[in-house]
Amino acid sequence: AQSVTQPDIHITVSEGASLELRCNYSYGATPYLFWYVQSPGQGLQLLLKYFSGDTLVQGIKGFEAEFKRSQSSFNLRKPSVHWSDAAEYFCAVGGNYKLTFGKGTLLTVNP
Amino acid sequence: KAGVTQTPRYLIKTRGQQVTLSCSPISGHRSVSWYQQTPGQGLQFLFEYFSETQRNKGNFPGRFSGRQFSNSRSEMNVSTLELGDSALYLCASSQGLVTDTQYFGPGTRLTVL
Repeated sequence: AQSVTQPDIHITVSEGASLELRCNYSYGATPYLFWYVQSPGQGLQLLLKYFSGDTLVQGIKGFEAEFKRSQSSFNLRKPSVHWSDAAEYFCAVGGNYKLTFGKGTLLTVNP
Repeated sequence: KAGVTQTPRYLIKTRGQQVTLSCSPISGHRSVSWYQQTPGQGLQFLFEYFSETQRNKGNFPGRFSGRQFSNSRSEMNVSTLELGDSALYLCASSQGLVTDTQYFGPGTRLTVL
């Protein structure tokens, strides 16, 4: 069975600081991994995805994520956070024509 | 291209009633998936349709059902509503391969009183 763990429920960072959101997955085969962001009252927007190849993937809004098979991790990073990045972030693993999501990490950005 | 559209955006129903939600996928997309989002359970997969066939189903009671039409539009139905069915229901579309990105609509907020 596929599963995703996001250990941090809530993270607060100052504007301009770096950010890392953690994600661990469980999947029997080659994982298809995604990061989505959700603003209040909105749907999910794709930030980036990993299927194969280069383990460091670049996404929109200056985000990147690194796939580490040995650690079953797919952590999301951003070198300098902007106030507009405040939102909830979801890591997901794909397979069997469905996405399995983590519980999400709520990001608060202090001015 | 227009994105995924969901109607209605907001619904208020009472216990025991039934409800139908609609989803129009991105043009050219043949796969539609449905997810339920609640504060307690998070995002949970309901079902996925491709070319009018259900390919996968999540762990929900039979009160939850769906269908897809020949134009790829999809509906989901919840019968005999319970308070716990209050949630944001999200629809996503893709071209249909397991590796394809799913693009999400804004959701339908269902409140059951």
